Amino acid sequence: EDQVTQSPEALRLQEGESSSLNCSYTVSGLRGLFWYRQDPGKGPEFLFTLYSAGEEKEKERLKATLTKKESFLHITAPKPEDSATYLCAVQGLPGNTGKLIFGQGTTLQVKP
Amino acid sequence: DTGVSQDPRHKITKRGQNVTFRCDPISEHNRLYWYRQTLGQGPEFLTYFQNEAQLEKSRLLSDRFSAERPKGSFSTLEIQRTEQGDSAMYLCASSPRQGAGANEKLFFGSGTQLSVL
Repeated sequence: EDQVTQSPEALRLQEGESSSLNCSYTVSGLRGLFWYRQDPGKGPEFLFTLYSAGEEKEKERLKATLTKKESFLHITAPKPEDSATYLCAVQGLPGNTGKLIFGQGTTLQVKP
Repeated sequence: DTGVSQDPRHKITKRGQNVTFRCDPISEHNRLYWYRQTLGQGPEFLTYFQNEAQLEKSRLLSDRFSAERPKGSFSTLEIQRTEQGDSAMYLCASSPRQGAGANEKLFFGSGTQLSVL
């Protein structure tokens, strides 16, 4: 059964203190791995899709990487506005429905 | 682009009552999804429509839950005889159909928060 586990569950950083969030996954065949950001009281907002091991994507202070068993979301010099819950999700093959399996998320708090 | 719209934002009901939620996807998105999210957890897939056809339904979904998308535009999710365990955020998402290998990026609404007393 497809499964996604994220760690840590919560992370507190000082502004400017870089760190990484981990997403470990088990899937019969990976079509895509997704990162979303979720603010309190709102739905998830798309950040990245990664398709194959070795792939990297960047957006502002965020960089996502992918291996055959896990993905990392690196946050460089975070700012308080980066505080949110970050969700990882996988789409398994055949992957023609858009159904995603989500992890439980990592709640990030960045203090000024 | 008005985004995915969900109504109501909040619903409080008593156990045993029926509730119905509405989702208006982004126009021209032919795929629509319902997910459920409880506190501290990630969203859990419930069901999926392509146009008006319901193509997949979670095995975990009780038969008290039913969803429709009658004209391939808006969708409704009904929960009959609600239970306290149904309390959760119900999220709707939509995506445009794309070719094989394309990005299945989902656009989520802000959800309906259901509280069953």
